[in-house]
Amino acid sequence: EAGVTQFPSHSVIEKGQTVTLRCDPISGHDNLYWYRRVMGKEIKFLLHFVKESKQDESGMPNNRFLAERTGGTYSTLKVQPAELEDSGVYFCASSFTGDTEAFFGQGTRLTVV
Amino acid sequence: GENVEQHPSTLSVQEGDSAVIKCTYSDSASNYFPWYKQELGKGPQLIIDIRSNVGEKKDQRIAVTLNKTAKHFSLHITETQPEDSAVYFCAASRRQLTFGSGTQLTVLP
Repeated sequence: EAGVTQFPSHSVIEKGQTVTLRCDPISGHDNLYWYRRVMGKEIKFLLHFVKESKQDESGMPNNRFLAERTGGTYSTLKVQPAELEDSGVYFCASSFTGDTEAFFGQGTRLTVV
Repeated sequence: GENVEQHPSTLSVQEGDSAVIKCTYSDSASNYFPWYKQELGKGPQLIIDIRSNVGEKKDQRIAVTLNKTAKHFSLHITETQPEDSAVYFCAASRRQLTFGSGTQLTVLP
């Protein structure tokens, strides 16, 4: 069974550009989460989808970040325009229900220069 | 919201010794406490978890204890091996995971 996959694994963009990260959850997992780890600090929650609906987006830092999960399958996280402080590792995770084990992808390392 | 503090930030032990990582949480409503291991270039991987109705759980060399009254939980790794070297994260959850800041564990051969 395929795990959570994220694409790309690395991205280097200039300040002001747009980047779109993609996450394919484990098949059958309705719950999808985005997290971010900035500069070796803790992994911080960004948002939670249940199927295609945003259950909780309280962790989204500002309106430059837009997450979608059309059709309740894969999800994208777009940063537009990117700022230097957006650099970090973005993780996606999925789980079968809201209180079962969350499986993480390998992360996308975003560097904004 | 929930706040999770994790200590120490770095930990070096000799192979065969035990390692202990401690976390405290603030939200008494949190009811799920997983521990994740992250190796270089990989995403966090669940190694053990505990729910609020249990005080201790063990899986081979790994054990977790939970003290709900004091709102702290700990990870214990016995007979450490070099392959245990990684970053370990604790987390507390009521609706979504709130992570600690991580502990870089190095097991010296």
